Formats: sequence, structure tokens, C-alpha cells
Amino acid sequence: AQRVTQPEKLLSVFKGAPVELKCNYSYSGSPELFWYVQYSRQRLQLLLRHISRESIKGFTADLNKGETSFHLKKPFAQEEDSAMYYCALIRIQGAQKLVFGQGTRLTINP
Amino acid sequence: ETGVTQTPRHLVMGMTNKKSLKCEQHLGHNAMYWYKQSAKKPLELMFVYSLEERVENNSVPSRFSPECPNSSHLFLHLHTLQPEDSALYLCASSHDFGTGGETQYFGPGTRLLVL
Repeated sequence: AQRVTQPEKLLSVFKGAPVELKCNYSYSGSPELFWYVQYSRQRLQLLLRHISRESIKGFTADLNKGETSFHLKKPFAQEEDSAMYYCALIRIQGAQKLVFGQGTRLTINP
Repeated sequence: ETGVTQTPRHLVMGMTNKKSLKCEQHLGHNAMYWYKQSAKKPLELMFVYSLEERVENNSVPSRFSPECPNSSHLFLHLHTLQPEDSALYLCASSHDFGTGGETQYFGPGTRLLVL
């Protein structure tokens, strides 16, 4: 079964420090992975997807098929990065389905 | 308003009430989704509609009844709910369904409390 695991429910780092939000997945096919973000009082929105290989708001994420991971990283955290982050996987076999992880609440301390 | 809108934003209902949640997308998308977000669980997919036909139903209890009258509107009809159904209900849309890798755009959600 497809599964996305975010081992940290809460993560707190200081402004300017590096941040890494962990995401591991289990999927038998070729996954397509996303990071969604939800800022306070805003709707859930796409942050980045692995196929685009972009850097959004300083965040990057590399798909590591060997480790089945898709960790989200930023070298220097900003206070406005405080939010809820969800890792998600598209299941394509049979029918498209977006499977979400539990989410990690990131708090950036001044 | 652009994007995906949901009404009402907040709803309190008793277990014997009947209510409906509404979702509207202004993006010209062909697929729409209902998700449930509970406090202690990951986002759960409830229903998927593509071109106004239901394509997936994730074993959702029958007290939740979706309706998709056209590609821009999606409803979730609620009746005889239980307190454990209290959650944030999110609507999303994507351009297509089944082609793989479609980005989903979310509405703000309806916060539901069942007393």
C-alpha cells in the first residue's frame, strides 16, 4: 500500500539555521512527490513538486529512490517559514490518488 | 473570487440535522475532490469526481453523500452525523484526473462541529 511518513510532528529551529523536514514513502511504482504548505489562516497550497526540480522560497527537495525519501530542505530558515508542511505522493496505478503524510508543524524562533 | 471556494466556512450541527457543504472552482478544472482533515490523522481522501462522474469512493460512510452537478460545483450532503465526524472538510480541484501528477488546488475548508 502507498504510504507517506513524516516522522516529526513538530520541528522548531532558530532563524538563520538550516531546516530539514523528513519525508519517507512506500510505493511500488514510480512515485511523483509533492510538498504542500499551510500557513496560519491560509489554505493548503502546493510548495513544490519533485519533477519540476525548482527551488521555491529557498526550499528544495530531492527524491532519493534508494532511501525512498523526499526530504524538504532550506539552508537558512526565515520566520515566515513557520507553517504546517505536508508531504504527498501521487498514486498513479489504477487511479490517481494523492496520499498525504501526517504533516510537520515547523516553528521558526527569532 | 478566483480559485476554489467553499461555503460555509464554519458549521455546527446536531446529529439529527441535514446540511450540505458547497465547493466551487473557478479554474476550469475537470476533477474535484473531497478530503477530511482530522486533528490526529493525515488528510484522508473521501471522494473523487472527474467530468462529473464519481471515480473513487474511499469507503466513506453513507451518511456522507456527494453530488457533482457540473464540473465547477461539488456538494457534500451530510445527515445523521456522529461527533467523530467533526473535522475540517477540504475541497480540491485539478485540471484532469488519471493522467498522473496533477497538482491539486485546495479551498479554504469548512470547519464542521457535530454536537
